[in-house]
Amino acid sequence: SAVISQKPSRDICQRGTSLTIQCQVDSQVTMMFWYRQQPGQSLTLIATANQGSEATYESGFVIDKFPISRPNLTFSTLTVSNLSPEDSSIYLCSGVNTGELFFGEGSRLTVL
Amino acid sequence: QQQVKQSPQSLIVQKGGISIINCAYENTAFDYFPWYQQFPGKGPALLIAIRPDVSEKKEGRFTISFNKSAKQFSLHIMDSQPGDSATYFCALEEGSARQLTFGSGTQLTVLP
Repeated sequence: SAVISQKPSRDICQRGTSLTIQCQVDSQVTMMFWYRQQPGQSLTLIATANQGSEATYESGFVIDKFPISRPNLTFSTLTVSNLSPEDSSIYLCSGVNTGELFFGEGSRLTVL
Repeated sequence: QQQVKQSPQSLIVQKGGISIINCAYENTAFDYFPWYQQFPGKGPALLIAIRPDVSEKKEGRFTISFNKSAKQFSLHIMDSQPGDSATYFCALEEGSARQLTFGSGTQLTVLP
């Protein structure tokens, strides 16, 4: 099974700044996704990270706020821009490998 | 519109007991029904999954029961153990997009 590593695991940021989260998979994956999970809550899909092209965003999420890159089959980044306290959440990267969807351990963001 | 309703929100079971978590959905286009287990500070991990062409799937102590006509599926954990204490999410997937819609989660506590 694939292992997904996320950096940073947690961070505290000031309002108005941006945070970029890196997602590295130890093997090639066909599809990669970014989810958001507010503490104690369920997971919500932010976008599908497409290799070499613009990400596909779900309703309520826009590229200006959540720019995503995926330069190859094992790496993706999610940037959360112009941070506000409402962005405090856990951001999870996931990928599909051998038909199964795997998740990273998440990046916990706190915005002051 | 909430596409999947999960219950109960929390569940406390004695060691050795049976834990039952239920999910109901509306859209009959969903064709893959996984359950994920999440421990604190970790990402969700696939526990067991079922497709609608079968009514039950068992893997060890974990069983999914699927009722296509009622649009409901449930997770049964037999001989529950304290190590099973975690949050459980049901999820839905439509087609090959591999994008999951998650239930609200059930926090299971198994008392020793």
